[in-house]
Amino acid sequence: DTGVSQNPRHKITKRGQNVTFRCDPISEHNRLYWYRQTLGQGPEFLTYFQNEAQLEKSRLLSDRFSAERPKGSFSTLEIQRTEQGDSAMYLCASRPRGLGAGDTQYFGPGTRLTVL
Amino acid sequence: DQQVKQNSPSLSVQEGRISILNCDYTNSMFDYFLWYKKYPAEGPTFLISISSIKDKNEDGRFTVFLNKSAKHLSLHIVPSQPGDSAVYFCAASLNTGGFKTIFGAGTRLFVKA
Repeated sequence: DTGVSQNPRHKITKRGQNVTFRCDPISEHNRLYWYRQTLGQGPEFLTYFQNEAQLEKSRLLSDRFSAERPKGSFSTLEIQRTEQGDSAMYLCASRPRGLGAGDTQYFGPGTRLTVL
Repeated sequence: DQQVKQNSPSLSVQEGRISILNCDYTNSMFDYFLWYKKYPAEGPTFLISISSIKDKNEDGRFTVFLNKSAKHLSLHIVPSQPGDSAVYFCAASLNTGGFKTIFGAGTRLFVKA
């Protein structure tokens, strides 16, 4: 399977704990995105990487959130001191280099986080 | 600040009939509009897109119409099939050197056999 993969698929944690999610994009896709989706809403943009450079971050990405893409391949999203409001589906998407803003993004299945 | 709005949370259609999903936006600077389909336990998958300089794009049973003066777009599915039952997200993209896609809240489509 050469699609976008995300691990873990589900994570249950207690408030105050740190969690880390991983995203493996489609090979040779140089652009990678993180989104958060809560119940009844569409995906909300969190951050965007082009290769290893983090080019844009949403104001939704508080100081407790950090994302990395150290070698321009896989990416991690860490949430420190989790809060119940962090409970959501975290989606990763990738896109190939070049072309325009209208090009499709390829989404992974998401990581569902539940903070107790 | 919801720049992309899908005002109908759900839509029910009989198999074989037309499904029309609507979307409104507020930012006239968006340069592409996209529709994604989402099944349970899966990520969204791309369906069809349209450039802001066009007013129609067609791909098989799916057609997207863009009315820039009304800041409105719609997705038509003809004929609708039970396998089309899913959540449909309208999205708009803005190329600002960086890149951002803004999604609507989604419309759940039920196609009854």
